[in-house]
Amino acid sequence: QKEVEQDPGPLSVPEGAIVSLNCTYSNSAFQYFMWYRQYSRKGPELLMYTYSSGNKEDGRFTAQVDKSSKYISLFIRDSQPSDSATYLCAHFWQGAQKLVFGQGTRLTINP
Amino acid sequence: DAGITQSPRHKVTETGTPVTLRCHQTENHRYMYWYRQDPGHGLRLIHYSYGVKDTDKGEVSDGYSVSRSKTEDFLLTLESATSSQTSVYFCAIRGLAGEDTGELFFGEGSRLTVL
Repeated sequence: QKEVEQDPGPLSVPEGAIVSLNCTYSNSAFQYFMWYRQYSRKGPELLMYTYSSGNKEDGRFTAQVDKSSKYISLFIRDSQPSDSATYLCAHFWQGAQKLVFGQGTRLTINP
Repeated sequence: DAGITQSPRHKVTETGTPVTLRCHQTENHRYMYWYRQDPGHGLRLIHYSYGVKDTDKGEVSDGYSVSRSKTEDFLLTLESATSSQTSVYFCAIRGLAGEDTGELFFGEGSRLTVL
């Protein structure tokens, strides 16, 4: 079983839709949960991070962590064509100094 | 701008030839990483370094070696390139100012094709 599972998509939605991206993980030692955004032919860049369970909001983006079910989500409200990118979830285990990535979900927002 | 430069950005080589990719940082960060990215696999860790001359293996280290003789440079070497090493390689640095969230800053990537 992979430590982090993410549906690779692709996912295509119309502009203005609410987008939900999800990951599951198997290692309960993970402490920090992140979402990276990667535009085509660019390096990934950090979008948001959360520690432990709960929600974190930043503008149109909300990250949600449910440690009891080992499930994390990223919600994008009022999606824009500029949100079209690959979104990667990642988890950091401080004890092992290890950052593990999901496979990435390719998202397209259609005008 | 996280001050990371990868070179070369693109390279085409033949099977069996040695290849070295260079990652240069201007931020004096202790931790540096090499990842490869392939369709369906996401980012997979090849090697990482936690200081000058201090390196460790990641999950896909076979066929790769690294060296770090200076804080600012982290080299990834493919001693004898194979077609399975065709990929996009990303270097990353980890900033440890304040809370250690594990956040990485990535370079622009080096696209390697092995024929």
